[in-house]
This record gives sequence, structure tokens and C-alpha cells, in this order.
Amino acid sequence: GAGVSQSPSNKVTEKGKDVELRCDPISGHTALYWYRQSLGQGLEFLIYFQGNSAPDKSGLPSDRFSAERTGGSVSTLTIQRTQQEDSAVYLCASSAWTSGSSYNEQFFGPGTRLTVL
Amino acid sequence: AQKVTQAQTEISVVEKEDVTLDCVYETRDTTYYLFWYKQPPSGELVFLIRRNSFDEQNEISGRYSWNFQKSTSSFNFTITASQVVDSAVYFCALSETVTGNQFYFGTGTSLTVIP
Repeated sequence: GAGVSQSPSNKVTEKGKDVELRCDPISGHTALYWYRQSLGQGLEFLIYFQGNSAPDKSGLPSDRFSAERTGGSVSTLTIQRTQQEDSAVYLCASSAWTSGSSYNEQFFGPGTRLTVL
Repeated sequence: AQKVTQAQTEISVVEKEDVTLDCVYETRDTTYYLFWYKQPPSGELVFLIRRNSFDEQNEISGRYSWNFQKSTSSFNFTITASQVVDSAVYFCALSETVTGNQFYFGTGTSLTVIP
């Protein structure tokens, strides 16, 4: 069965350019998460969606970062005016949702490796 | 403050040795969930186990076992008779009900099993 997919797998961009990262969750998963993993670091939570809404945007590092989700499925993470410190692997995960539950395990995509020159 | 602490950054063991990966968490929530994930060199995180705060029973799955102790806020992971394929980065994570569906990950422990 199809897992979480992310595109592109690799992105090299120049400082100051905007980038869009895409995540396709597992069909039927209503919760979707974005994380950032810098070299040798743990996972930094960025944002999560329940359906199309994002109850918690506290993890977004700056106002250059935004994310949206449409149709309760695909999500895009946009980074405007990229900086070198944005270089990292951006991971997307999805999980099934049961009302009031925080226990459903997340299924991760392969990530997008972003390099800002 | 870190909600999940994995103090061991890197561990190396010789094949067939047992190894324990430590995880200490911090929460004021009474209902919470703990997880372990494996990230092999290929990069994709793989779910290993989930535990809720009301179930302190230890669990064994093949060569893997988990020791959950609320008294010390720890959720340690032991691999018995390690194999080269166990080489990976292992992450411990916490999910609190008060913060909804946000997960807090530790910084990971990189395990290398030497043949």
C-alpha cells in the first residue's frame, strides 16, 4: 500500500528564493505533521494539521514559514526568502485520528533534503 | 526544557551484545503516550512501539524489549543479541493529551553494531 510520499526528494536553492515542499499523506489519515531535522539533530516539530486546519503553529521558526493543506489530503510547506540555516531534511508524517486521541503512531515520509546555497 | 531526553548521543556495541537506549521524559499530563522510532541509514523513520501512561507493563517483541517506569519517568529500550541491521538512530517521543496531537522527540541515539 502507498505510504507517505514527499516531493521533491532533494532541493537545492539559492539564498533568498522561495521553496515549496509537498507531502502526500496516507489515504484516510486526517492528521498531518511537518518536522525539520538538521544534520545530526533530532526532530523539530513545525506544524500539524487536523483535516485542513492547523490548531498549532507554534513550531514554525519564523514568519517566512507557512503551510497549508487542502482537501484534507496534500500539504505544502512554503519557505520564503530562504536562508542558509533553513538547510535541513523536512519530514512529513501522517496518522489516523480518533477524537481526543494523541496516541496514534505517525507514519513518516522519506523527507525532502533542502540545501540553501 | 527538553520534554524528552536521550542522553546517549552515540553507542557502539559488538554484534551479539545487549544494548539499552535510555529515554527520560518530562510531563505534567496524567495521560500521555510514549513511542520509539527507528531511523535506519536509508532515512525513513519506522514506528517501533507505543505505550500509554496507564500501562507500565514491560513489553517484549523478539529481541526488543521496553521498560516503562513512571517513578523515574523513563522509557528505556533494550536490544538483545544485537545485529548489524540494528544500526540506526533511535528516537524516543512523547505525546501529551493536553497539547493535542503534538509529538515531542528526543535528539536520538545513534547505535552502531560492529560485526
